[in-house]
Formats: sequence, structure tokens, C-alpha cells
Amino acid sequence: AQSVTQLDSHVSVSEGTPVLLRCNYSSSYSPSLFWYVQHPNKGLQLLLKYTSAATLVKGINGFEAEFKKSETSFHLTKPSAHMSDAAEYFCARLSGTYKYIFGTGTRLKVLA
Amino acid sequence: DTEVTQTPKHLVMGMTNKKSLKCEQHMGHRAMYWYKQKAKKPPELMFVYSYEKLSINESVPSRFSPECPNSSLLNLHLHALQPEDSALYLCASSHVLANPLGNAYNEQFFGPGTRLTVL
Repeated sequence: AQSVTQLDSHVSVSEGTPVLLRCNYSSSYSPSLFWYVQHPNKGLQLLLKYTSAATLVKGINGFEAEFKKSETSFHLTKPSAHMSDAAEYFCARLSGTYKYIFGTGTRLKVLA
Repeated sequence: DTEVTQTPKHLVMGMTNKKSLKCEQHMGHRAMYWYKQKAKKPPELMFVYSYEKLSINESVPSRFSPECPNSSLLNLHLHALQPEDSALYLCASSHVLANPLGNAYNEQFFGPGTRLTVL
């Protein structure tokens, strides 16, 4: 079965330091992968997506992710964390035309 | 217009009430979705409409009744809910397209949600 695993339920970083949020997916010939961010009591906002084009994907707010087929990973990074980055982050993949398979989420805390 | 709107933002209802949640998008998307999200959990898919027809019902109890009056609107009618139905209800929309490999790749655009409390 297709799956998405977010390896860390919580990540804490200091403001101005790099962010790494990890996501692994079960093997598939051509997954469509997404990263979303959710601030408290808000909807999900798309950060970036991978759809079989460039393996390094740049998103909004300085985030990027690298698709590594050999490692079945799609980790989200940002060079320098900002206080406003504190939120819940979800990795997801499409299963069929409509269904997202979500990871369990990673809560990012940014320390001043 | 690149957003999905949802009304109301908050809703408190008793177990015998009938209420409706509304969702609207003007991005020309032909797929629309309802999700339920409990605290500290990812969204759970409830229903999918594609070209105004119900495509997916994830075994949702009949006290939840979706409706898609046209390509821009999606409603969720609520009746005789239980306290465990309290959650954030998210609407989303997307195109229905495939890449040259025939794989779907369309991102879903989410609304801000309706926070539902059932007393």
C-alpha cells in the first residue's frame, strides 16, 4: 500500500538556523508529492509540489525540497527559520486522481 | 480569484439541529472535497465531487449529506450529529488533470475551514 511517513512529530529550531523536516514515501514508479503548512485554526497552504519534473523543487517562503528516488525521500528544508514558520507541516502524496495520503504531520517550533 | 472560501467560520450546534456548511471557489476547478480534521491529526477525506457528481464517499455516516449545486459551490448538510463529530471541516478544490504519464498531479487548494462544535 502507498504510504507517507513523517519521521519527526516535533522539531524545534532557533530563529535564523536551518530547518529540516523529513518525509519518506513508499516506493512508487512516479509519485506526486506535496508539502503543506497549517497554522493554528487555519486551512492547509501548499508550500511546494513534485510532479516528475526537476528533483529540486522550490516553494514559497524560502522552502525547498529534494526528491531522492534512491532514498524514497522528499525532505523539506529552509536555510533560515523565521518565527512565522512555526506551524504544522504535512507531507502528502496522491493516490489515484483525488486521494491524498497524508503523513502524520510535524510540528515546527521556532525559538527566539 | 485563487482562494476557497468557507462559511461559517465557527458553528455550535445541538445534536438535534440541522445546519449546513458552505464552500465556494472560482478557480474553475471541477473537483471539490470535504475533509474532517481532528486536533493534531492530518485531514481525513470524507467526500469528493468530480464534475458535480459524487465520486468518492469514504463510508461517511448518513448524518453528513454533501451537495454540489454547481461547479463553484459545495455544501455539507449536517443533521443529528454526535459530540465526536466536533472537528475542523475543510473544503478543498482542484483541477482534474494528468501529466503526460497519465498520473494525476493536481494540488488541492484548501479553504480556512469551519470549526464545528456539537453539544
